[in-house]
Amino acid sequence: QSALTQPASVSGSPGQSITISCTGTSSDAGRYNLVSWYQQHPGKAPKLMIYEVTKRPSGVSNRFSGSKSGNTASLTISGLQAEDEADYYCCLYVGSSTFHVVFGGGTKLTVL
Amino acid sequence: EVQLVESGGGLIQPGGSLRLSCAASGFTVSSNYMSWVRQAPGKGLEWVSVIYSGGSTYYADSVKGRFTISRDNSKNTLSLQMNSLRAEDTAVYYCARVDGAYVYFDYWGQGTLVAVSS
Repeated sequence: QSALTQPASVSGSPGQSITISCTGTSSDAGRYNLVSWYQQHPGKAPKLMIYEVTKRPSGVSNRFSGSKSGNTASLTISGLQAEDEADYYCCLYVGSSTFHVVFGGGTKLTVL
Repeated sequence: EVQLVESGGGLIQPGGSLRLSCAASGFTVSSNYMSWVRQAPGKGLEWVSVIYSGGSTYYADSVKGRFTISRDNSKNTLSLQMNSLRAEDTAVYYCARVDGAYVYFDYWGQGTLVAVSS
């Protein structure tokens, strides 16, 4: 089964930018552009932040951006704010003849 | 406004069965892909199952043969029948709407906790 690797934690000061990576293998992340990112505050449901690698849903701040290079997708948050402190998960569709998605292990973002 | 509300969670003994429901409003369940995603305590997200608008269903290997996803078009609800429950099925279960074209989860419920323990 495919696996997506994220750093366990990242941190930054208010106003700074941080990037969270999501690395797969050439058989998954390198082949598909169906990467999405989710923000989850403690005790809350996940919230869609980025889909199709780079697209932002309506209502999501333009401080959040996504990119992909080779087998690694990335989420960048610029102008860090206290409310950005949360867990972030990447997600990749790896299905072909059947539906199958995999999530990264999650990254805890701490705003110092 | 799109809203998803799960119910049916609780404490169940290993080997038991439980049925989760997800009531949807603001859109039609049968016209969308719908999914269940779970999160074990202190752990990450794990996709569990999906039902296509056309009715096809798919499952993660960890639940295949034990869980069944279904929907009730008249009630606009999604369900997950969970049989032969194991301790490792303990998690918060979220229902989520799936964009079928680009495969992302755009709306999530608040989750319902399933605890499997003797």
